[in-house]
Amino acid sequence: GENVEQHPSTLSVQEGDSAVIKCTYSDSASNYFPWYKQELGKGPQLIIDIRSNVGEKKDQRIAVTLNKTAKHFSLHITETQPEDSAVYFCALSSDRGSTLGRLYFGRGTQLTVWP
Amino acid sequence: ETGVTQTPRHLVMGMTNKKSLKCEQHLGHNAMYWYKQSAKKPLELMFVYSLEERVENNSVPSRFSPECPNSSHLFLHLHTLQPEDSALYLCASSQGQTTNEKLFFGSGTQLSVL
Repeated sequence: GENVEQHPSTLSVQEGDSAVIKCTYSDSASNYFPWYKQELGKGPQLIIDIRSNVGEKKDQRIAVTLNKTAKHFSLHITETQPEDSAVYFCALSSDRGSTLGRLYFGRGTQLTVWP
Repeated sequence: ETGVTQTPRHLVMGMTNKKSLKCEQHLGHNAMYWYKQSAKKPLELMFVYSLEERVENNSVPSRFSPECPNSSHLFLHLHTLQPEDSALYLCASSQGQTTNEKLFFGSGTQLSVL
């Protein structure tokens, strides 16, 4: 299956600072890139997604950028708050030979926002 | 909250036990999934059901047996598990129309096999 590399594995920031998480992939057919947030004791929740025909998408303090040429996409969180503390997962899928609902996930980034 | 409810939240079982995990979705979706989340590993897709038909069995051992009686309910029957099967088992659902669509996850069942 597709290998998704996610960095960093842990990230600590001061409240109000920005946080950036980056994922790289190898399959150029990948065309859907969601980001999930998993809080303690809960399942992953979709926070933002982007498709390959778009280079950037923003939703309030959260943005995702996609560089298809370089095969990487990033999550940007601005003005971080303690409630942003969680594990964040990048994921991707493609249409080519893909199974319904098959997402390839990164290993996750533990984000801690200190007050 | 997400519209996908899993029970039980926690389960401890011995290797000779038989137990079942339950998932129910209230989103009107047509596809349901089982994912496995182990420590330090990416989430792994186990099974896919679309309109109550299994469309994917991702090389999962036969000691895991899924069942989808209707589009709202999904079960995972467990028997003679191994300690390495201890993990968080996540159920998810989606509309079931394309390969690139949003998945909605439940909170998972934390399984410990002794």
